[in-house]
Amino acid sequence: DTEVTQTPKHLVMGMTNKKSLKCEQHMGHRAMYWYKQKAKKPPELMFVYSYEKLSINESVPSRFSPECPNSSLLNLHLHALQPEDSALYLCASSQGTSGMWYEQFFGPGTRLTVL
Amino acid sequence: SQQGEEDPQALSIQEGENATMNCSYKTSINNLQWYRQNSGRGLVHLILIRSNEREKHSGRLRVTLDTSKKSSSLLITASRAADTASYFCAPGGNQGGKLIFGQGTELSVKP
Repeated sequence: DTEVTQTPKHLVMGMTNKKSLKCEQHMGHRAMYWYKQKAKKPPELMFVYSYEKLSINESVPSRFSPECPNSSLLNLHLHALQPEDSALYLCASSQGTSGMWYEQFFGPGTRLTVL
Repeated sequence: SQQGEEDPQALSIQEGENATMNCSYKTSINNLQWYRQNSGRGLVHLILIRSNEREKHSGRLRVTLDTSKKSSSLLITASRAADTASYFCAPGGNQGGKLIFGQGTELSVKP
């Protein structure tokens, strides 16, 4: 199975809502990533988890809270978002992060709209 | 940072023609990756070329790397309408998995 799955595909939420994005992979990868992508822009890295520990946080606002319950799952908890947080949120995984680089496998993304 | 810069920003060609896009970067790298993104979907890894390699092929894709000029090119031969997508390069170092994508080249292949 060489697939990264993300749920939901689409999410509309108000600024006072709490919601979560989910990501799953069964490739035995030990690194997982969250990216944010605005229209016509490249993906921007938000968080990196390596062996279920947060290794990189790109100064993301605290209204985004990542969680890695196990090596196959990655969540992104959302609370008190702003309309400018509307974007495509992409999850990715790779074999590892240290030493040599590994290709990253991306999920199809969650299209988030904040009203 | 190791962000790549793609050129051109947009490219429109006819089916069957070749498409070439370029990537330049500023710092030394261990490798460079190319990704494709169809509209509104996730990225797909195309090819990874290591800093000690000069050329790599995968199907209709040919990637070159010139570390002295800090540049890479992606050639798609005999293009198809299905190749219509955005293409991103990501120069790689030793930053714990961190990929910084350039602005991308938007390729349109007309049937």
